[in-house]
Amino acid sequence: AQSVTQLGSHVSVSEGALVLLRCNYSSSVPPYLFWYVQYPNQGLQLLLKYTSAATLVKGINGFEAEFKKSETSFHLTKPSAHMSDAAEYFCAVSRSGGSYIPTFGRGTSLIVHP
Amino acid sequence: EAGVAQSPRYKIIEKRQSVAFWCNPISGHATLYWYQQILGQGPKLLIQFQNNGVVDDSQLPKDRFSAERLKGVDSTLKIQPAKLEDSAVYLCASATGLAGGAYEQYFGPGTRLTVT
Repeated sequence: AQSVTQLGSHVSVSEGALVLLRCNYSSSVPPYLFWYVQYPNQGLQLLLKYTSAATLVKGINGFEAEFKKSETSFHLTKPSAHMSDAAEYFCAVSRSGGSYIPTFGRGTSLIVHP
Repeated sequence: EAGVAQSPRYKIIEKRQSVAFWCNPISGHATLYWYQQILGQGPKLLIQFQNNGVVDDSQLPKDRFSAERLKGVDSTLKIQPAKLEDSAVYLCASATGLAGGAYEQYFGPGTRLTVT
């Protein structure tokens, strides 16, 4: 079985500060990992994904995430927060081959203060 | 290209009534997903189609929920009869590749269901 844990339902940062959103996963097979962002009243949009290539993955809007197998983590970072980054962020895991169930974390709400 | 379309955007019904949601995926996308997103939680997969076949429906409450994907294109999700705990946003997503791959899912705006 696979699962995703996002630490912190809310993260608050000042504009210009580092953004760090935490995600830990469990999977019995090498995982595919994703970060999605959801703006109010909109569907989810892919930020980036890990598919067993480079462990440091760069995504849209200046976000990146590092896959650390030893820590079973896939934390999302951005060097400098913008007001427009305020949204809900979801980490998700899936696995390769045959039938699989994409599993999402509970989400982390990013609040950006001026 | 046009995105994933869902209708209606909002629906309010009384418990024990029936409701249906419609999804039109991005043209050419083989895989279609229905998720339930309860307030404060992440999306939970209900059912996954590949073309017009069901890949996984293990988390679909089959006593009250049903879904179909006609001709491998658009899809409907039905709840009959609805319960209070079905209040949630129902998200539809589609992907280009076949199930099991690391394909990006494209999500629609969702249908917000309130059961009173």
